[in-house]
Amino acid sequence: EPEVTQTPSHQVTQMGQEVILRCVPISNHLYFYWYRQILGQKVEFLVSFYNNEISEKSEIFDDQFSVERPDGSNFTLKIRSTKLEDSAMYFCASSADRGLNQPQHFGDGTRLSIL
Amino acid sequence: AQSVAQPEDQVNVAEGNPLTVKCTYSVSGNPYLFWYVQYPNRGLQFLLKYITGDNLVKGSYGFEAEFNKSQTSFHLKKPSALVSDSALYFCAVRDEYGGSQGNLIFGKGTKLSVKP
Repeated sequence: EPEVTQTPSHQVTQMGQEVILRCVPISNHLYFYWYRQILGQKVEFLVSFYNNEISEKSEIFDDQFSVERPDGSNFTLKIRSTKLEDSAMYFCASSADRGLNQPQHFGDGTRLSIL
Repeated sequence: AQSVAQPEDQVNVAEGNPLTVKCTYSVSGNPYLFWYVQYPNRGLQFLLKYITGDNLVKGSYGFEAEFNKSQTSFHLKKPSALVSDSALYFCAVRDEYGGSQGNLIFGKGTKLSVKP
């Protein structure tokens, strides 16, 4: 079964540094998402992306965050200047279309630790 | 505003017994409801969804969920629990009038522990 893959599985970064989290969505999917899960808390929506532009973003997704689909396969999340509170699991997801009945398929996540 | 509540942080069940993981939701329009399971150090795996039709929907690994519109609930059930079902379970919703482009609103999760 096709999977969403994320790299790295664990990223440790000094506060203030830039970090790029990478995702390869399922190949025929068109809609891409980033979510995060702070330890012990619920999964929170960050951003959705379609047709090379952001469709929707949450309040969490401020100017420090950006997303990009640099080629036909990768989907990246960049945090420009990391803060301690950015420490979380970051999940990438994709779906074949944005229909409300379509499940999103998630990767295994990147654990981001900010020191 | 859309929201999902999972009132139990943890559910403990003996293997072979039935299990229920509770979920209630709040949306302005018709709900699109989902259950996901998260095993340790893994991402969220889709279990099942309710869109319309029969209130009882069946999903992966023998799980099912019952939609109850009057109680705004979507409880996850399994007739006979397995130790391997032990994991974190998330209920999620989309709202047809929520204005979102498709993002999921998640509950805080319920840890299911099945003992032999």
